[in-house]
Amino acid sequence: GAVVSQHPSWVICKSGTSVKIECRSLDFQATTMFWYRQFPKQSLMLMATSNEGSKATYEQGVEKDKFLINHASLTLSTLTVTSAHPEDSSFYICRVGQGALISTDTQYFGPGTRLTVL
Amino acid sequence: AQTVTQSQPEMSVQEAETVTLSCTYDTSENNYYLFWYKQPPSRQMILVIRQEAYKQQNATENRFSVNFQKAAKSFSLKISDSQLGDTAMYFCAFTYGGSQGNLIFGKGTKLSVKP
Repeated sequence: GAVVSQHPSWVICKSGTSVKIECRSLDFQATTMFWYRQFPKQSLMLMATSNEGSKATYEQGVEKDKFLINHASLTLSTLTVTSAHPEDSSFYICRVGQGALISTDTQYFGPGTRLTVL
Repeated sequence: AQTVTQSQPEMSVQEAETVTLSCTYDTSENNYYLFWYKQPPSRQMILVIRQEAYKQQNATENRFSVNFQKAAKSFSLKISDSQLGDTAMYFCAFTYGGSQGNLIFGKGTKLSVKP
């Protein structure tokens, strides 16, 4: 069964509104989760690292005030796209590592959330 | 900076045939890890195979095998006896460890398996 879930799977919103996307680790606790963005026919680009109990770490070029990340518990991270615009339309995927080592620990990906901003 | 390049945007193969997907990477690290991920139409990323750079032996997982050429910085994926369910986007990925966020993906190759 699924190890990482995301909700919603697809959301359509009007320009200017905010949208919250949840990522849940179902089988294990995760102090760190990762958010990716994937444009059509493009690769996954890391947006930010979500840290439980502390501020998220954003990649260069990602607006932290626009993409708010909250890691409220060891099994839940949320990504809020604030004041969404059509250019924010994309596929958002979260990743969770079963351990602290990316090199050896299994990485699990959520099924993704498709955001469409009208 | 580390980069991963997949030079084949799209490929197709007949069912039961063999296909090879190419991947090259650039890094100054000596110890690192390489992965192939599959993203079917459902968009769920699935790990296909992994390779540790310090291992000379090429990794294999059932019908999937890699040809790892460290000196050439090449990491190709061979799919034998292709099945319709292999139709998907395939991403080559690289990490040298360290920060957990350090997982770099190529742009992907769209593989279509034709009946």
